[in-house]
Amino acid sequence: ETAVFQTPNYHVTQVGNEVSFNCKQTLGHDTMYWYKQDSKKLLKIMFSYNNKQLIVNETVPRRFSPQSSDKAHLNLRIKSVEPEDSAVYLCASSWTSQNTLYFGAGTRLSVL
Amino acid sequence: GDQVEQSPSALSLHEGTGSALRCNFTTTMRAVQWFQQNSRGSLINLFYLASGTKENGRLKSTFNSKESYSTLHIRDAQLEDSGTYFCAAEADTGANTGKLTFGHGTILRVHP
Repeated sequence: ETAVFQTPNYHVTQVGNEVSFNCKQTLGHDTMYWYKQDSKKLLKIMFSYNNKQLIVNETVPRRFSPQSSDKAHLNLRIKSVEPEDSAVYLCASSWTSQNTLYFGAGTRLSVL
Repeated sequence: GDQVEQSPSALSLHEGTGSALRCNFTTTMRAVQWFQQNSRGSLINLFYLASGTKENGRLKSTFNSKESYSTLHIRDAQLEDSGTYFCAAEADTGANTGKLTFGHGTILRVHP
């Protein structure tokens, strides 16, 4: 099956902890993204990587760091979570030449 | 202000009827995409348009770059069409970053 896979589906943690989310795509795409969807359902881009190179880095707090081992994987680490980080984190991928985005199912983070 | 203004914010349709969603852009966009987010939270890509009109089953979408808008028409609505619809557009900055700006979404409810 070719798609975008995210783990975990849900994660509950406490303020100050570190969390990591994984994303893998088997579509052969060369670009991957992390988007954040807040409680009002607004989607905003956080990062994009093209062939393991960072090409978009929005004004995201420094505690967020993306990690790409190859063009099929893009993980997201949050060093010390804060309450406002509670959201759904959506990974996506596309071809650079035609940016139709394919999304994973998302990781819902709850920070207590 | 927002670069992508989506309307309506909510829409209620009887099964079998139709309507249109619209996104207006305050800057020149190179392409637009439409997504449906279902009850499980998955974002499904419906259309990618760089210009013109595309049709897929009961859905039709148009993108007019010159007049800075895009529409999504739904006809013969079915219960499974319920969900949140997003438009997302890529600014025409010269650099192909794939960075999408999302509208705030239209919550569609189809009822019997």
